[in-house]
Amino acid sequence: QKEVEQDPGPLSVPEGAIVSLNCTYSNSAFQYFMWYRQYSRKGPELLMYTYSSGNKEDGRFTAQVDKSSKYISLFIRDSQPSDSATYLCAMGESGGKLIFGQGTELSVKP
Amino acid sequence: DTGVSQDPRHKITKRGQNVTFRCDPISEHNRLYWYRQTLGQGPEFLTYFQNEAQLEKSRLLSDRFSAERPKGSFSTLEIQRTEQGDSAMYLCASSLRVGGQEKLFFGSGTQLSVL
Repeated sequence: QKEVEQDPGPLSVPEGAIVSLNCTYSNSAFQYFMWYRQYSRKGPELLMYTYSSGNKEDGRFTAQVDKSSKYISLFIRDSQPSDSATYLCAMGESGGKLIFGQGTELSVKP
Repeated sequence: DTGVSQDPRHKITKRGQNVTFRCDPISEHNRLYWYRQTLGQGPEFLTYFQNEAQLEKSRLLSDRFSAERPKGSFSTLEIQRTEQGDSAMYLCASSLRVGGQEKLFFGSGTQLSVL
């Protein structure tokens, strides 16, 4: 079993829809949680960073962490075609490396 | 450009050849990471440095792989005797650890194709 599980999709939604992306994890030692966006042939770009359970909002993006269930989510409101990309969850312990999920490919249709 | 820079962007090589990639981190960042990503998968950790010290190396990393970070600045990743299974995107990231929190910023990667 992988430490971080993420549904690879692909996920296709119409423009303006609310998108929900999710990851589960098995390592209780993970303390910080991130979401990255990756466009084709580019490196991952940091979107959201959270350090505790609860919600964090940044514009159209909301990151949610539930440590008791070992479950994290990213919500995208009013999705746009420019949001079409692969979304990677990542998490880490107190020091150093991040462990990534497989990535979910999202397509937002005009 | 003040982001993480990787060179080359693309590398095509024949099986058995050696290749070397370079990463220039964000200047004030003291940690530097190497990851490998294959199609349809998330990045997989290879190794990381704090300043010039290599602090961790993945158990999955073959002895054919070696990384250096002289003087705690840029880093190189060398793959000796390349195999077709080495074909992947090699990503570099840098970070600054402040108060127990750390955010990794990635470069655009080097795409390696081994023929």
